[in-house]
Amino acid sequence: EAGVAQSPRYKIIEKRQSVAFWCNPISGHATLYWYQQILGQGPKLLIQFQNNGVVDDSQLPKDRFSAERLKGVDSTLKIQPAKLEDSAVYLCASSPLSGGNTGELFFGEGSRLTVL
Amino acid sequence: GENVEQHPSTLSVQEGDSAVIKCTYSDSASNYFPWYKQELGKGPQLIIDIRSNVGEKKDQRIAVTLNKTAKHFSLHITETQPEDSAVYFCAAIGNDMRFGAGTRLTVKP
Repeated sequence: EAGVAQSPRYKIIEKRQSVAFWCNPISGHATLYWYQQILGQGPKLLIQFQNNGVVDDSQLPKDRFSAERLKGVDSTLKIQPAKLEDSAVYLCASSPLSGGNTGELFFGEGSRLTVL
Repeated sequence: GENVEQHPSTLSVQEGDSAVIKCTYSDSASNYFPWYKQELGKGPQLIIDIRSNVGEKKDQRIAVTLNKTAKHFSLHITETQPEDSAVYFCAAIGNDMRFGAGTRLTVKP
């Protein structure tokens, strides 16, 4: 079974530029998550989708971050304009469960963003 | 919302010794407590989890204990091996999901 795919693995941009990350979850997984992991910290949830609807985006800085999962499969996370403090690894995860049930999250390898 | 504290932040043990990592949480509605292992350059991977109706769960060299009254849970790794070296994260899930800050475990051969 293929795992969660993310691209690009690495991205270096200047502040105020924009960047987009892509995630393809495990086939059939209803729930998709984007996490931000700053060096030395645990992952912090940015947004959770169930199919193509947003379940939780309370911690997404909506003035600069946006995410979509238009067909309920793959997803993109965009940052525009980027700030220095956005330097982090952006992890995508998926889960087969939905409807408020909790279970194992399957993480991708992450996209490491460096903002100069 | 939920707040998860994890200790210690770093842990170094000799191969064959045991390692214990502890987490506390604040939201009494939390009912699912997974532990993830993250190796360098990779995403976190679930190693064991426990739900609130169970006090202890074991899987070979790994065990997790949960004390709902005190709102803390712990990861126990016995007979540690160098390949156990990684960063370990606890998480608590109820109304929302929070990860601890992580413990960097180093197992010296």
